Amino acid sequence: GENVEQHPSTLSVQEGDSAVIKCTYSDSASNYFPWYKQELGKGPQLIIDIRSNVGEKKDQRIAVTLNKTAKHFSLHITETQPEDSAVYFCAARSGGGADGLTFGKGTHLIIQP
Amino acid sequence: EAGVAQSPRYKIIEKRQSVAFWCNPISGHATLYWYQQILGQGPKLLIQFQNNGVVDDSQLPKDRFSAERLKGVDSTLKIQPAKLEDSAVYLCASSLDPSGYYEQYFGPGTRLTVT
Repeated sequence: GENVEQHPSTLSVQEGDSAVIKCTYSDSASNYFPWYKQELGKGPQLIIDIRSNVGEKKDQRIAVTLNKTAKHFSLHITETQPEDSAVYFCAARSGGGADGLTFGKGTHLIIQP
Repeated sequence: EAGVAQSPRYKIIEKRQSVAFWCNPISGHATLYWYQQILGQGPKLLIQFQNNGVVDDSQLPKDRFSAERLKGVDSTLKIQPAKLEDSAVYLCASSLDPSGYYEQYFGPGTRLTVT
């Protein structure tokens, strides 16, 4: 089955700086890669996603890049703000009818004022 | 648009007792998922339904866990008997269809503590 590794487990950055979180996946058939933000006591919320036929996608301060050859994808947050503090999860979906997501272990992003 | 609803939000039980969780997906969403999230880890898929049929239950511990989705709408997840290692947040998610072109929306989860 699919295996997703995520790094780092904790990331502390100064407000206004950029943050980068990286993930690798094992199944070359995976074709969909979402990123979720989870705040304390809440369910994960999708913030951006990318499909295997695209190399990069951007939405305001958030961008995701995908390297299919190396089987890794990254989340980039620019101009970080205090409300960006949360746990971020990457995930991968394998091809086929069963499309449950395989998640990484999460990155706790801390924005220092 | 109302989100995914789950109840209860919190549950504390003793080991060997049974417990049930309820999920109401977003209206019109054909696919429903149950995930288990142990503290400090990412969610792990337990079971996926397409309407009222099971698509994937390969990671569901079937000796103690069961789930159903009658009439293709609401779903219940049951644990009987519970073990200490079942302490986790149980998340329900739904999506419009399983083609992979629609995102999964998550509910707030049910936090289970087994003592």
